[in-house]
Amino acid sequence: AQRVTQPEKLLSVFKGAPVELKCNYSYSGSPELFWYVQYSRQRLQLLLRHISRESIKGFTADLNKGETSFHLKKPFAQEEDSAMYYCALSGNTGFQKLVFGTGTRLLVSP
Amino acid sequence: DAGVIQSPRHEVTEMGQEVTLRCKPISGHDYLFWYRQTMMRGLELLIYFNNNVPIDDSGMPEDRFSAKMPNASFSTLKIQPSEPRDSAVYFCASSPSRQSNYGYTFGSGTRLTVV
Repeated sequence: AQRVTQPEKLLSVFKGAPVELKCNYSYSGSPELFWYVQYSRQRLQLLLRHISRESIKGFTADLNKGETSFHLKKPFAQEEDSAMYYCALSGNTGFQKLVFGTGTRLLVSP
Repeated sequence: DAGVIQSPRHEVTEMGQEVTLRCKPISGHDYLFWYRQTMMRGLELLIYFNNNVPIDDSGMPEDRFSAKMPNASFSTLKIQPSEPRDSAVYFCASSPSRQSNYGYTFGSGTRLTVV
């Protein structure tokens, strides 16, 4: 069964501090991992996906199959990063539905 | 493309009333999903369709909930009768077949309040 765990409901940091949003997953096959972001009262948007190894808005995430993790990181948080972040997983064979974690609210204070 | 369009944006209704939420997916997307978002449980998948056919409705909480997709450009989620515990934000999302490269595209959501 697919499962995504985001252990922190809330992460509060000061502007300029490093940020790490934790995501662990459980899946027997080869996973596809994603991070979605939801700014206040807006729609969910795809932030980044592990397959593309990209950096978006200064955020990066590395898939660690040994630790079954896909933590989201940013070296210097900005106030505009305050949002809800969801980690999501699907399988990579054929079409498989996305399973989301429960989300972590990031609050960046000035 | 205007993206995934949901209506209404907000809905306030009294307990016991029927509520219908609407969604127009992105043209060409084969898959459509309905999610419910609450503070306690985050994002829950209710049901999804492929080429207008329901594939997995295991997330539909109970018989009061039903969803249809009569054609490729329209889907509804109906709650009858509604209860206060149904209050949540309901998101629709669509995806092309090769979604692993694209993820899902979400609509703006419908904020439902049942009083």
